[in-house]
Amino acid sequence: EAQVTQNPRYLITVTGKKLTVTCSQNMNHEYMSWYRQDPGLGLRQIYYSMNVEVTDKGDVPEGYKVSRKEKRNFPLILESPSPNQTSLYFCASSFVGPGELFFGEGSRLTVL
Amino acid sequence: EDQVTQSPEALRLQEGESSSLNCSYTVSGLRGLFWYRQDPGKGPEFLFTLYSAGEEKEKERLKATLTKKESFLHITAPKPEDSATYLCAVLLSGGYNKLIFGAGTRLAVHP
Repeated sequence: EAQVTQNPRYLITVTGKKLTVTCSQNMNHEYMSWYRQDPGLGLRQIYYSMNVEVTDKGDVPEGYKVSRKEKRNFPLILESPSPNQTSLYFCASSFVGPGELFFGEGSRLTVL
Repeated sequence: EDQVTQSPEALRLQEGESSSLNCSYTVSGLRGLFWYRQDPGKGPEFLFTLYSAGEEKEKERLKATLTKKESFLHITAPKPEDSATYLCAVLLSGGYNKLIFGAGTRLAVHP
């Protein structure tokens, strides 16, 4: 089954404690991206990757890091989480470029 | 500034009562417009792609249309299972890999 898998799905953490949200896709997609979704603001792009070892900032990259060492994986790293990073996070992928995206189920993160 | 605005924010319909959702955009250039459906607790699910004014796409009770300034998602004789949040997104032209999402319309269809 074609899917984008995110882990963890739910996480409560404290300010400053480094965390990683993993994302893996099984469709051999070249493009992967991370979004955060906040009420009234819609989906905002954090980082994206056009292919292995190629990443770039989206609209709200501050406080986040990513890496793309393998085609299937695109982890999101919060080095020192802060309460304003409390949000619902989605990983998405597609064959080439943004547009017709496959989304994961989401990761709800709470930073206390 | 590039912007995508969806209206209304929320819409309540009776089963069988047709209506339309609006997605208006002011962008420097449009490469494509996309509609997604998002169920509570789930990731968005792709529905349609529209590339040029006058284009239409249909799927079951849904039909998406595009003009130079906006897109409509028409829902004909909706059923309760059509209840969801509908998102539109605009892909900018000019070499940018930027997809701008609207905030969505929450649709509730009651029996």
